[in-house]
Amino acid sequence: AQKITQTQPGMFVQEKEAVTLDCTYDTSDQSYGLFWYKQPSSGEMIFLIYQGSYDEQNATEGRYSLNFQKARKSANLVISASQLGDSAMYFCAMREGPFKAGGTSYGKLTFGQGTILTVHP
Amino acid sequence: ETGVTQTPRHLVMGMTNKKSLKCEQHLGHNAMYWYKQSAKKPLELMFVYSLEERVENNSVPSRFSPECPNSSHLFLHLHTLQPEDSALYLCASSQGFSGNTIYFGEGSWLTVV
Repeated sequence: AQKITQTQPGMFVQEKEAVTLDCTYDTSDQSYGLFWYKQPSSGEMIFLIYQGSYDEQNATEGRYSLNFQKARKSANLVISASQLGDSAMYFCAMREGPFKAGGTSYGKLTFGQGTILTVHP
Repeated sequence: ETGVTQTPRHLVMGMTNKKSLKCEQHLGHNAMYWYKQSAKKPLELMFVYSLEERVENNSVPSRFSPECPNSSHLFLHLHTLQPEDSALYLCASSQGFSGNTIYFGEGSWLTVV
């Protein structure tokens, strides 16, 4: 079974500083995808960034970057220039699959426990 | 405007009530999912529908009954729930298996009293 580990229950960062949220994963698959989501107190899961296992370059999306170290099975999220609005729960997830059904395919996400990020002014 | 819409956002129900959660996706995706998020637990996959066919049921009690009448709509019918079923229920949709095409709705907060 696939497994995602986020070892930091909570993290604090000063506004405008950078912060790294840790994520390690365990899989025997060669092809997989890694996701980071942000969940504010309202509950919505907001997609931040995606890294495919065969992608040679680390993914970046604006202030978010993913530090992908395949040999160590880690996929840490780096948030640069933190803002107060970044305070939220952050989840790392890995996609299992593909699974075939009815002529199409789908994937399933396995999530870590999450890290609560608090940005101080 | 989110591509995946869930209603209601908040629901309080008694243990003998029957209620339903609704999810609608406007993205043309062919798979839809229900996840449960309880306090201090990772998100748990409950059901997966692929082209309106239920393809996954992860040992979910029968008091939760999903329905997918078409590829855009997904329901979770609730009947005789327990207080421990109180949680955030998240709907998601995806298209095939490639890239980052898994999108979530805003969730429905359920409280069972």
